[in-house]
Amino acid sequence: GDQVEQSPSALSLHEGTGSALRCNFTTTMRAVQWFQQNSRGSLINLFYLASGTKENGRLKSTFNSKESYSTLHIRDAQLEDSGTYFCAAEWGTGNYKYVFGAGTRLKVIA
Amino acid sequence: DMKVTQMPRYLIKRMGENVLLECGQDMSHETMYWYRQDPGLGLQLIYISYDVDSNSEGDIPKGYRVSRKKREHFSLILDSAKTNQTSVYFCASSFGTGAYEQYFGPGTRLTVL
Repeated sequence: GDQVEQSPSALSLHEGTGSALRCNFTTTMRAVQWFQQNSRGSLINLFYLASGTKENGRLKSTFNSKESYSTLHIRDAQLEDSGTYFCAAEWGTGNYKYVFGAGTRLKVIA
Repeated sequence: DMKVTQMPRYLIKRMGENVLLECGQDMSHETMYWYRQDPGLGLQLIYISYDVDSNSEGDIPKGYRVSRKKREHFSLILDSAKTNQTSVYFCASSFGTGAYEQYFGPGTRLTVL
């Protein structure tokens, strides 16, 4: 949606390298969730953050609500990391809902 | 094993036909969602359900309606399907709203001819 700007829209990485994906928000978001959509179209949960930083293996994510952004860092990229990465930000008052970014298409090259 | 299921996985319908997409979850989650995903776009929220018979429009509800008569089931209905409703539809659930992550089903690919 317009409230979530995701960058870059596409990215190629050589195996073993790394990069950062970013989501900027135009309004205050309560939390952010990151997903990988694989080649079969399945959405895989990566992280849910209401604040701070989380790390899982070669992935690390940060959410800064005050400065309205979230990042997803990938290090030592592997071929199976290829796919589309989405951030979804949670917003609202009372009953919350999620708004998705347009995604980053990542291709990892051997 | 936490799971969101969707049926059918693939569906082809003709314009004007009715469509029923089913979603189930085994986690006793209160909140369930229907999204659609079109090429080059993220997911767009169609409807959200906060519990049985407590449904709310999302960002693109026009042309759709929903039904939630049991907590574990959430249906998306297209009355008289249109070609521009060809899309991939995802169902999701979460424990509640506010500080709860979503879990997604595998998606239903709908083609309206």
